[in-house]
Amino acid sequence: RKEVEQDPGPFNVPEGATVAFNCTYSNSASQSFFWYRQDCRKEPKLLMSVYSSGNEDGRFTAQLNRASQYISLLIRDSKLSDSATYLCVVNMLGSARQLTFGSGTQLTVLP
Amino acid sequence: NAGVTQTPKFQVLKTGQSMTLQCAQDMNHEYMSWYRQDPGMGLRLIHYSVGAGITDQGEVPNGYNVSRSTTEDFPLRLLSAAPSQTSVYFCASSLAGGPNDEQFFGPGTRLTVL
Repeated sequence: RKEVEQDPGPFNVPEGATVAFNCTYSNSASQSFFWYRQDCRKEPKLLMSVYSSGNEDGRFTAQLNRASQYISLLIRDSKLSDSATYLCVVNMLGSARQLTFGSGTQLTVLP
Repeated sequence: NAGVTQTPKFQVLKTGQSMTLQCAQDMNHEYMSWYRQDPGMGLRLIHYSVGAGITDQGEVPNGYNVSRSTTEDFPLRLLSAAPSQTSVYFCASSLAGGPNDEQFFGPGTRLTVL
């Protein structure tokens, strides 16, 4: 079983749609959680951290469920510019060298 | 600030050749790392450094060496290239390598080994 698992997609949604991605992680002692965004043939960039109480940044909402060991990302009112691969990243043991990256979920927003 | 820079952007090697991938950051970050990204897999850590003069192995270190003589630079050396090292390589840095620190990535080097 992979340590961090994501549905690879692709998710193809029309502009304005709401789309949700899930990610599961295997280590119950994991400490911190992130969503990174990676545009085609570009480097990953931090989209948002994920906090236990859930957090929102504009159209993006992240949730953490420690009991079920999953993280979610909700994108409302999708824009063409949201087309990218979304990487779920989990810090297993408390330092940057313990970051584990999911293989990513590909999103394409269609006009 | 330029952030994290990497050179070259593209490279083709023959099996057995050696080369160095360059990485530099101008954010005065203590923590730097190298990842490789292969299709269908998450980024995997090759080597990392918590400060000048200190390096350590990550998940997939075989066939690679690193050094950290300055805070700014963290080159990755391929000792004897193999086709299995065909990948996209990303250098990253963060302030101190803490669990909540944002990782800043360079633009990547696309390496093909024939």
